[in-house]
Amino acid sequence: GAVVSQHPSWVICKSGTSVKIECRSLDFQATTMFWYRQFPKQSLMLMATSNEGSKATYEQGVEKDKFLINHASLTLSTLTVTSAHPEDSSFYICSARKTGANYGYTFGSGTRLTVV
Amino acid sequence: KNEVEQSPQNLTAQEGEFITINCSYSVGISALHWLQQHPGGGIVSLFMLSSGKKKHGRLIATINIQEKHSSLHITASHPRDSAVYICAVSIPPTSGSRLTFGEGTQLTVNP
Repeated sequence: GAVVSQHPSWVICKSGTSVKIECRSLDFQATTMFWYRQFPKQSLMLMATSNEGSKATYEQGVEKDKFLINHASLTLSTLTVTSAHPEDSSFYICSARKTGANYGYTFGSGTRLTVV
Repeated sequence: KNEVEQSPQNLTAQEGEFITINCSYSVGISALHWLQQHPGGGIVSLFMLSSGKKKHGRLIATINIQEKHSSLHITASHPRDSAVYICAVSIPPTSGSRLTFGEGTQLTVNP
């Protein structure tokens, strides 16, 4: 199989603080992981592509200094929301794909962030 | 116009009914994916298709590359099938690249 673990599943933080979300591939190596954001009743929006050992590739309009991505190993990528504001409240979800013709994308369980 | 269009946006069915969700895309793709998102937010990959047809249990996915169209069918639907179903495509050069998503279809199956 291909399992991606994401933590925490939900978090409430105060404005101005930082929150780190972890995404781990448990049974495969993921050189690339993807971070998405989803607002209620909307589809997934790609924020950035996380590349092991190198800088992440951010989508247009996503602030790289606000959403820090670190992919230090083949099984772990982290997204840190810095100086969080209420408008950062959203559902964040990561995904990775195990190499091989029969494998689709595996998603983490998502993190619901509420900034108060 | 979105590169990936799904229909219908919302679908309500009675338990046992046969369900079809459609997906059309306007770009060249290396693969098409059907995803299921549960109310809690978790997403499960149902199928990855590049041609033909795949079946898993009560779920069937088909794709017509020439017509740039895919369908997801659910036979003998059940309330536990209630979820958002999302069509997504991988755009070349590699199938391991980013996904482009449809808006999703909210399916509700009533007992």
